[in-house]
Amino acid sequence: DAKTTQPPSMDCAEGRAANLPCNHSTISGNEYVYWYRQIHSQGPQYIIHGLKNNETNEMASLIITEDRKSSTLILPHATLRDTAVYYCIVRVGSGGGADGLTFGKGTHLIIQP
Amino acid sequence: AAGVIQSPRHLIKEKRETATLKCYPIPRHDTVYWYQQGPGQDPQFLISFYEKMQSDKGSIPDRFSAQQFSDYHSELNMSSLELGDSALYFCASSLGGPGGGGELFFGEGSRLTVL
Repeated sequence: DAKTTQPPSMDCAEGRAANLPCNHSTISGNEYVYWYRQIHSQGPQYIIHGLKNNETNEMASLIITEDRKSSTLILPHATLRDTAVYYCIVRVGSGGGADGLTFGKGTHLIIQP
Repeated sequence: AAGVIQSPRHLIKEKRETATLKCYPIPRHDTVYWYQQGPGQDPQFLISFYEKMQSDKGSIPDRFSAQQFSDYHSELNMSSLELGDSALYFCASSLGGPGGGGELFFGEGSRLTVL
């Protein structure tokens, strides 16, 4: 799986949009971009994933650049409960399979009141 | 909605003892994954099973073994425990195979403390 690079930490004011960047310059054509987050000592939580088109769900939006070498996770209205470590993961395929996700260092997002 | 169930939630063992962790996936999920997360560390993938067969293997020590049973639950067996095995152990499940979406759903974890 391709390697990802994320800033180690970010701050965001409550109520504002949080934009979390991720670089994955070696991504292959069949690799998807996944985002997970982990609130302190809880199990990681799936947020969103995409291949090349922008995606949106009830939690977040995912913007993938046209060359697919980077992406941005957007939390539109951050709340204190969004404070967590956010992981950007590149993984082959989304049609199932049982390959383990490889968690990198992630970004510690801190939402300030 | 039913989530991934892990047991026990907390476990304390002595060095050189054996421990077994259990994982019950979300109903209809056929794939389970095991992760280990040490203090201040990121989750490390250990092993996964799809349809009761080992599918992928990560950094699982030789002292550890796992299997998936006919009802799709999984057990992680850890022998000759060392202090460094103290960690949170997460199980995740997904719908694997061609029809799966690839999203993993994690349990709340089992905290193992080795004294």
